[in-house]
Amino acid sequence: EDQVTQSPEALRLQEGESSSLNCSYTVSGLRGLFWYRQDPGKGPEFLFTLYSAGEEKEKERLKATLTKKESFLHITAPKPEDSATYLCAAPVEGGSEKLVFGKGTKLTVNP
Amino acid sequence: GAGVSQSPSNKVTEKGKDVELRCDPISGHTALYWYRQRLGQGLEFLIYFQGNSAPDKSGLPSDRFSAERTGESVSTLTIQRTQQEDSAVYLCASSLWGFEPQHFGDGTRLSIL
Repeated sequence: EDQVTQSPEALRLQEGESSSLNCSYTVSGLRGLFWYRQDPGKGPEFLFTLYSAGEEKEKERLKATLTKKESFLHITAPKPEDSATYLCAAPVEGGSEKLVFGKGTKLTVNP
Repeated sequence: GAGVSQSPSNKVTEKGKDVELRCDPISGHTALYWYRQRLGQGLEFLIYFQGNSAPDKSGLPSDRFSAERTGESVSTLTIQRTQQEDSAVYLCASSLWGFEPQHFGDGTRLSIL
């Protein structure tokens, strides 16, 4: 069964304290991995797509990386406005465009 | 530009009633998805429309759930004879085509009394 697992479930950081969120997946023949940010009461907001192992993408304080078995979302010197739930998702096997989502990591950045 | 719009934003109804949720995708987006998000849980795929192809209904949890889409425009998700376990946020997303990033609306929060 296709599965996407995120860890930790929740993470508290002090402003400026860098860290990483993990997304591991069991989908074979990965055709892409997506990262989203979700604020309370809002729909997920697209951040990155990674297509192949070794690929990296950056946006402001966020950098996403991909290996053959997992992806990391690195947050450098976070600010309180980075507080949100971060979701990763991967297409299911078999060529479908359906995505399977992880349960997310709730990030809180304290000032 | 306009994003994905969902209505109503909140819906409270009694157990056993039917509800209809609406999604207006981004203009020009051929793919449209419905998801359910229960409190503290991840997104659960419900149904996927791609152009004029037959929809992928594999995620619908029971025959009480159905969805329609007119061409490449508005979609409605209907839940008949609602149950308390149907309480959740229902999210709609659209994308240019199937494998492009999905853009989400802010959802309809459904509460069944």
